[in-house]
Formats: sequence, structure tokens, C-alpha cells
Amino acid sequence: DAGITQSPRHKVTETGTPVTLRCHQTENHRYMYWYRQDPGHGLRLIHYSYGVKDTDKGEVSDGYSVSRSKTEDFLLTLESATSSQTSVYFCAIKPSGVKSSYNEQFFGPGTRLTVL
Amino acid sequence: ILNVEQSPQSLHVQEGDSTNFTCSFPSSNFYALHWYRWETAKSPEALFVMTLNGDEKKKGRISATLNTKEGYSYLYIKGSQPEDSATYLCAFKPRFGNEKLTFGTGTRLTIIP
Repeated sequence: DAGITQSPRHKVTETGTPVTLRCHQTENHRYMYWYRQDPGHGLRLIHYSYGVKDTDKGEVSDGYSVSRSKTEDFLLTLESATSSQTSVYFCAIKPSGVKSSYNEQFFGPGTRLTVL
Repeated sequence: ILNVEQSPQSLHVQEGDSTNFTCSFPSSNFYALHWYRWETAKSPEALFVMTLNGDEKKKGRISATLNTKEGYSYLYIKGSQPEDSATYLCAFKPRFGNEKLTFGTGTRLTIIP
């Protein structure tokens, strides 16, 4: 358990509505990541953060924005949800320390989002 | 975009049999290769971090080898058990570049009792 929680764990929403997912960590890790899981694609990186207010895009960032105003929280926002954004979303952290250079990451429990 | 491939995509193995599958990655610019175990409806769980050519890691009945010169890693499971059913993901970290991992699409392993 890397002290990562995600909320909500499940959400059903309608096309065109904004949605915000929250990732919360308790151990002051600098790096946090948002991934989505899709059949046939494994895990794909949406955005990541390397500190408060420092974020960068991943490979599937279109339609998503992120914010990190506090070390412990990394928010993922779908400004106007579409059915193609139906997925399971995982947050991950990269701990500091000896293995940090290897980019070992630990994952939260996931949020299942359905866009109707 | 880095090319990380896993094969086969899916695999059915009889309980008690041993099995293995492959992750291939760019052989140049290698820094680390991760293996994760991902059970249905759970989050991926770290198995191994492999960093040196010729590395071999072992955890119980699961082991992994690494060949950085040719760009592949094998994951072996000896004496498969039903609890080994999961998707096994590999993830590549290049030497130069960024703080990201590139994941393969996974091998989905089903153990038949």
C-alpha cells in the first residue's frame, strides 16, 4: 500500500458534462501520474506531475487537463466528457529514494468512469 | 514513441504446467525494465525492476531474465497455479529523456484448473 487513494471509485456521467477525478497521496511524493486502461492498449499515460504546479502531457492528453495545487493531490479533469473517455483511470506515484531513477511506480486502486 | 511489445497477447495454461512470455523493447537507450502483475479489478502490482544485462530476478515461482543487447526480457512461471491468472505488464524506462514509463499491452494469463 503506497498510501494512494482515488475518488470517486466509480462514476457514471453523461456526454458533455465536466468530470474531475482526484488522486490523493499521504507520503509527499514529488511525481504523480494519471493513466487510462483500455483493452488492447494496456496502460497509457495521460498527464504527469513533477511537483506543485508542474505538469506535463503524456501520450493521450487530448480532452484532459490536470492540476496540482498541493503535493498530496493530483486532479484529472475531463472538461466535456465523451463516450471515448469511458475507461478505468489509475493514478500512480513514483517514490523518492534509491530506485527513483528507475521510475518504479505504484498504483492507486483505480476509478471506473462510464460516459453515457 | 517507444515501441514496447509483449507476446503472446493471451495464454491459457494447465494448472501445474510452466510457462513463459516475452517483452521486447528498444535495445539502445536502455535504463530499466519493470514487470507488473495485474489482477482483474485490481491495480497493477510491481514484481521486478531489472537494470543490468544478464539480470535474473526471482520471487517464489516467478522469475525474469533480461537481455539488453537484443532488447528482450522473459517472465517465467513454474508450476502454474490458479492464483497466477492475471495480466502481466512490462514497462520500459530509457536512459535519456523523461520521467515516464512506456508500458507494453500485456500478456493475459489464464490458468485452467
